[in-house]
Amino acid sequence: GEDVEQSLFLSVREGDSSVINCTYTDSSSTYLYWYKQEPGAGLQLLTYIFSNMDMKQDQRLTVLLNKKDKHLSLRIADTQTGDSAIYFCAESTLSGGYNKLIFGAGTRLAVHP
Amino acid sequence: SQTIHQWPATLVQPVGSPLSLECTVEGTSNPNLYWYRQAAGRGLQLLFYSVGIGQISSEVPQNLSASRPQDRQFILSSKKLLLSDSGFYLCAWRPIAGRVYEQYFGPGTRLTVT
Repeated sequence: GEDVEQSLFLSVREGDSSVINCTYTDSSSTYLYWYKQEPGAGLQLLTYIFSNMDMKQDQRLTVLLNKKDKHLSLRIADTQTGDSAIYFCAESTLSGGYNKLIFGAGTRLAVHP
Repeated sequence: SQTIHQWPATLVQPVGSPLSLECTVEGTSNPNLYWYRQAAGRGLQLLFYSVGIGQISSEVPQNLSASRPQDRQFILSSKKLLLSDSGFYLCAWRPIAGRVYEQYFGPGTRLTVT
């Protein structure tokens, strides 16, 4: 079945880079996603990558995809206190002919001075 | 531009009481709609999704039901709440044209069953 796993917690110093890792199981996933959730809020779509890509960069965010190992990572350069949040990895999958997302449990990123 | 609303933002209900949570989307037509639940410190669990008016698919058997009476309205209901229904309920939508691989979430409803 589908499963997405992430480490639960990451602590970094302000200004350093953060790397959040994720593994997934559905090799037929077309897209893989990163969402950000701030306290008490909904999920914000940060970025996503098509499965035939190895890397996608968007300003401070870099997504790396290793399809062979089913490993996805999100790198945040120059991490700021405003980046403190929970980051969810998700894979797309088809179920009953419809597209749905399978989410990991989320990685809580804490940024300290 | 498209926006998604959820109502109410927070809710405290006693066990055994009914539930109705509402989600509306503006600025798009015939979106795919989703209800998720996030238990404390956990990931998201897909509860229901809908591809059109009156078309609801359930992901897990539970105490909840969903309805889509209008194109951009999605309602989550229960006749009798359980303690285990507490959580953060998120509605999401996905367009069927254009950026079809992007799914957007509402602000959520925090439900506490006492």
